[in-house]
Amino acid sequence: GEDVEQSLFLSVREGDSSVINCTYTDSSSTYLYWYKQEPGAGLQLLTYIFSNMDMKQDQRLTVLLNKKDKHLSLRIADTQTGDSAIYFCAEKVGGTALIFGKGTTLSVSS
Amino acid sequence: GAGVSQSPSNKVTEKGKDVELRCDPISGHTALYWYRQSLGQGLEFLIYFQGNSAPDKSGLPSDRFSAERTGGSVSTLTIQRTQQEDSAVYLCASSLVLSGGAGTGELFFGEGSRLTVL
Repeated sequence: GEDVEQSLFLSVREGDSSVINCTYTDSSSTYLYWYKQEPGAGLQLLTYIFSNMDMKQDQRLTVLLNKKDKHLSLRIADTQTGDSAIYFCAEKVGGTALIFGKGTTLSVSS
Repeated sequence: GAGVSQSPSNKVTEKGKDVELRCDPISGHTALYWYRQSLGQGLEFLIYFQGNSAPDKSGLPSDRFSAERTGGSVSTLTIQRTQQEDSAVYLCASSLVLSGGAGTGELFFGEGSRLTVL
């Protein structure tokens, strides 16, 4: 199957770290992505990781990939109120369209 | 254009009417996608066009839904005899697919067309 699952809500305080988790079921996924959707806007690519990598760091963002468990996570360090958004995990299998999870709504309180 | 453009941004229609939603992808992008975003349902894949290949229609929920892409550029999603459950935001995205399928496959999304069926 090609189901991508993620928790629906996460609430953190400003300055804390946020960790958003995702599980996928297709072991042949080539790329895994995190997209961000701010209120009233379309989705924008936040970061991605190639399937032969375990970790990718990009400023405040750290992506961890555990292929054995088909688990992907996104850690946002020093979370800010501007990080409040919906975060979508997505996988790409071969030449097909991206399959998205239902999205995790991150709420950051000051 | 600079980004993916969708129109209309908002559409309110009566049950049973047909609607057309338009997507103008980024120039040069060979792949075009339609997704539907409903509250609590996340992003649901509808259809995928890639170059001159036959489109992947596996996500279309019923035969009331159809899409075409003319000249490898602009795409129109048509919903016939709309139902209330068709109410959602319809998102279009495009991407640049390199030969052999290389590249990260990053999708660039439009801001969506919000459809409300009364």
